[in-house]
Amino acid sequence: DGGITQSPKYLFRKEGQNVTLSCEQNLNHDAMYWYRQDPGQGLRLIYYSQIVNDFQKGDIAEGYSVSREKKESFPLTVTSAQKNPTAFYLCASSNPGQNYGYTFGSGTRLTVV
Amino acid sequence: AQSVTQPDIHITVSEGASLELRCNYSYGATPYLFWYVQSPGQGLQLLLKYFSGDTLVQGIKGFEAEFKRSQSSFNLRKPSVHWSDAAEYFCAVVLRSNDYKLSFGAGTTVTVRA
Repeated sequence: DGGITQSPKYLFRKEGQNVTLSCEQNLNHDAMYWYRQDPGQGLRLIYYSQIVNDFQKGDIAEGYSVSREKKESFPLTVTSAQKNPTAFYLCASSNPGQNYGYTFGSGTRLTVV
Repeated sequence: AQSVTQPDIHITVSEGASLELRCNYSYGATPYLFWYVQSPGQGLQLLLKYFSGDTLVQGIKGFEAEFKRSQSSFNLRKPSVHWSDAAEYFCAVVLRSNDYKLSFGAGTTVTVRA
């Protein structure tokens, strides 16, 4: 079955470390997205990519970086510049303009220790 | 400012009672509208969506939503709530003019009491 796989499910980071969250999809979707979820704030867009080798900043891109070298993959790096990285991170994919259907992964919970 | 508003942070409802979750949007054009549900620690599942046409939309799990252009609203309803409906619910919009990005409200947490 097609879907989105996020790994790991739980991730712990020490202060000053960079960590990378994985997101892989086999839906042949062109666009991929990273959202951050904090209690009471809904989901906020970090970065998105509509085609391979291209990506754009979302609303809260500071302290994050991404790459889109393959259509299937859109990894997110949380850098040491992100001052408050503890959150739940969700990856999604879609084919813009085609039913606007988004498919979400099951998320990665990142905790700074 | 463009936004999606869910006025109710938390709603408690008795099992078997009806449920209505409110969603208002503020955009220059009518966006495409969605409702998602999220169980704790999980991803989001699409309940229903509205693009055009009939303003009463049927979704999965017995949910429906009504689009009211005059009120810029897209409220979600369920006639009889089950304990398994306890979750967080998000209203979201997509605008073609905004690269089809999905923008979310802050969410409403639903608690179901026996």
